[in-house]
Amino acid sequence: KQEVTQIPAALSVPEGENLVLNCSFTDSAIYNLQWFRQDPGKGLTSLLLIQSSQREQTSGRLNASLDKSSGRSTLYIAASQPGDSATYLCAVLSYNTDKLIFGTGTRLQVFP
Amino acid sequence: SAVISQKPSRDICQRGTSLTIQCQVDSQVTMMFWYRQQPGQSLTLIATANQGSEATYESGFVIDKFPISRPNLTFSTLTVSNLSPEDSSIYLCSVEDRSGGYYEQYFGPGTRLTVT
Repeated sequence: KQEVTQIPAALSVPEGENLVLNCSFTDSAIYNLQWFRQDPGKGLTSLLLIQSSQREQTSGRLNASLDKSSGRSTLYIAASQPGDSATYLCAVLSYNTDKLIFGTGTRLQVFP
Repeated sequence: SAVISQKPSRDICQRGTSLTIQCQVDSQVTMMFWYRQQPGQSLTLIATANQGSEATYESGFVIDKFPISRPNLTFSTLTVSNLSPEDSSIYLCSVEDRSGGYYEQYFGPGTRLTVT
């Protein structure tokens, strides 16, 4: 059974810092991995999608990497801003179930 | 990408009543999904809604409690029946875009339900 874990559960950093969010999954049989952002009480915004054959994807200040063999992904946020404060969720689309399995989330706060 | 809207955005309901949530997509999609997010938790899949057939429910979710309709390729509804305070959650609709070989999921803005 696919399990997805995110570390840390919460993170508070000053503005301007570069930071790394971690995601690990137990079954490497995946189609892809997605990183989402969720603001309090709101829906999910897709940030980056990494196909199983890819190693990384970049969008602006965000860079996501994928190491499928070790079951790990990282989301790197450069020069963090207060507007980056949100919960970040990773999710894997599993071959075996054809369903998106979500991690537990990292709640990020960036203070001025 | 797909643009998804949900109605209502939030509601406060009394226990024992029902709430129907609507999900509208700006393009035709084969697969639509309904998720529940309980306070402080991650997302849990309730069911997959396919047009022209009955929804497929995940373990722990039943049709009597969460009836789903999917009348066409751009619209679906989720009803949460016989509400109890434990049903207080955010309910999210999502669609999967498989065009070009990229199985990417997009989510609606969510419906925040509070049961009193």
